[in-house]
Amino acid sequence: GAGVSQSPSNKVTEKGKDVELRCDPISGHTALYWYRQSLGQGLEFLIYFQGNSAPDKSGLPSDRFSAERTGGSVSTLTIQRTQQEDSAVYLCASCSGAVDKNIQYFGAGTRLSVL
Amino acid sequence: KNQVEQSPQSLIILEGKNCTLQCNYTVSPFSNLRWYKQDTGRGPVSLTIMTFSENTKSNGRYTATLDADTKQSSLHITASQLSDSASYICVVSGIYGNNRLAFGKGNQVVVIP
Repeated sequence: GAGVSQSPSNKVTEKGKDVELRCDPISGHTALYWYRQSLGQGLEFLIYFQGNSAPDKSGLPSDRFSAERTGGSVSTLTIQRTQQEDSAVYLCASCSGAVDKNIQYFGAGTRLSVL
Repeated sequence: KNQVEQSPQSLIILEGKNCTLQCNYTVSPFSNLRWYKQDTGRGPVSLTIMTFSENTKSNGRYTATLDADTKQSSLHITASQLSDSASYICVVSGIYGNNRLAFGKGNQVVVIP
C-alpha cells in the first residue's frame, strides 16, 4: 500500500512478556518516528530515525524500550518485560525529510493492552 | 509544562453548525503550526500546515488561522458533518530542529444529528 502500515493492529499480552511492534513506512521516506498515545494524552515522542544517522532515542521511557530500523525501511519497537503502564496506542509516522518542513504520515497504530 | 494547550477539551455540536477550536503555544522560535484530524482507531491525518508568515489556510470546510504575535491558532469547522466527529490535534514545530514536534492533547469533537 501507499501509506504507513503497522502490525499488529491490536496486541494483548501478559505483564512481564516481551512484545514487538512493526512499522512499514512509506517507500522512500527517510525519517521514521515512534510515538505513544495514552488515553486523554497528547502524543509522546519515543524515538526518531533519519537515514543512516544515529537514532534519537531520548524519548524512550526506560531501558525496557528499544527500536531498530533495518535497511532504512522497516522498523521494530520492542518492549521487554511489559508493565501495565505500557498499555497505550503506539503510533509510527514517516516523513520525506526534515519534519519541520515536511508532513508526517501516520499509521493506524498498534493498541497494546498489558494484563 | 505542555508547550501546546488546546481548548475546549471536548465539545458536542449539532450537525450543520459551525465550531471553532483554539490552540495556544509557547514554542519559540516558531517554524510552523499544523492541525491534524484523528478519527477513532486511526492515526492522525494532516489538515493544514501554516508557516510564520501565513495567517489563514483552508482545506475544504476546515479553516485554520494563525496569529504568530500572540501565539494563537484556531481551527474553524463550517457546516459540520457527522464525519467531522474526531480529535483535532494542534502540532507546533520549532525552528531549531531536533526534529521534534510539540503536540497538543487534542480537541474532541462530537457531531450529533
